[in-house]
Amino acid sequence: AQSVAQPEDQVNVAEGNPLTVKCTYSVSGNPYLFWYVQYPNRGLQFLLKYITGDNLVKGSYGFEAEFNKSQTSFHLKKPSALVSDSALYFCAVRPKSYGGSQGNLIFGKGTKLSVKP
Amino acid sequence: GAGVSQSPSNKVTEKGKDVELRCDPISGHTALYWYRQSLGQGLEFLIYFQGNSAPDKSGLPSDRFSAERTGGSVSTLTIQRTQQEDSAVYLCASSLGAGANTEAFFGQGTRLTVV
Repeated sequence: AQSVAQPEDQVNVAEGNPLTVKCTYSVSGNPYLFWYVQYPNRGLQFLLKYITGDNLVKGSYGFEAEFNKSQTSFHLKKPSALVSDSALYFCAVRPKSYGGSQGNLIFGKGTKLSVKP
Repeated sequence: GAGVSQSPSNKVTEKGKDVELRCDPISGHTALYWYRQSLGQGLEFLIYFQGNSAPDKSGLPSDRFSAERTGGSVSTLTIQRTQQEDSAVYLCASSLGAGANTEAFFGQGTRLTVV
C-alpha cells in the first residue's frame, strides 16, 4: 500500500536553531512530493514541492526540503527557526501515473513543530 | 473569490440528520478534492474529481457519504444519517490542470460536530 510516514508527532526547537521535520514515503515509481503547513485555526498552505531536477528544493518562508531517492525521504528543513514557524506540517505525495495525470494526494499524519524563544 | 471557499465554516447537527457541505474551488481549477481531518489525525482522503472523468470515490468511508460536482465547479459533500464519529473538519482543495505536479490549494474547512 502507498503511504507517507512522518515519524515524529512533535518536534521542539529553540529559536535560531536549525530545524528538520522528517518524511519518508512508500510509493511505486518516482512520485511528486509536497510539504504543507497548517497554522492554528487556518487551512493548509502550500510550502514547496519536488518534481524533478535538483534534490534540494526551496520554498516559502525560508523552508527547503531535500529529496533522497535511495532513502525515499523528503525531509523539511530550515537553517534558523522562528517562533512564528510553530505550526502543523504535513508531507504529501502524489504517485505519477500513466500520462502524468493527477491522482490522489496521500498525506502523512502531520508533525507539530514548536519553536521556543 | 481568490481562494477555495467552504461553507458553512461550522455545523452542529443532531445524530441521524443529513448534512451538506459546500465547496467553491478556485475558478478554472479542474481538480477538486475532499479530505477529512479528525482531532489528532492526519488528512483522510475522501473523494477526488478531475474534469469530466469519473470521480475517485475510493476514500469514502461508507455509503452514507456522497459527493457531487456540478458543472465542473461547485461541489457538495453529503453525509446522511450522521453519526458522532463523523465529527471532524472537512477540507476541500482544488488544483489547476491535469498535471500531477500541480499543488492543491485548500479551503478553511467546515468543522462538523454531531451531537
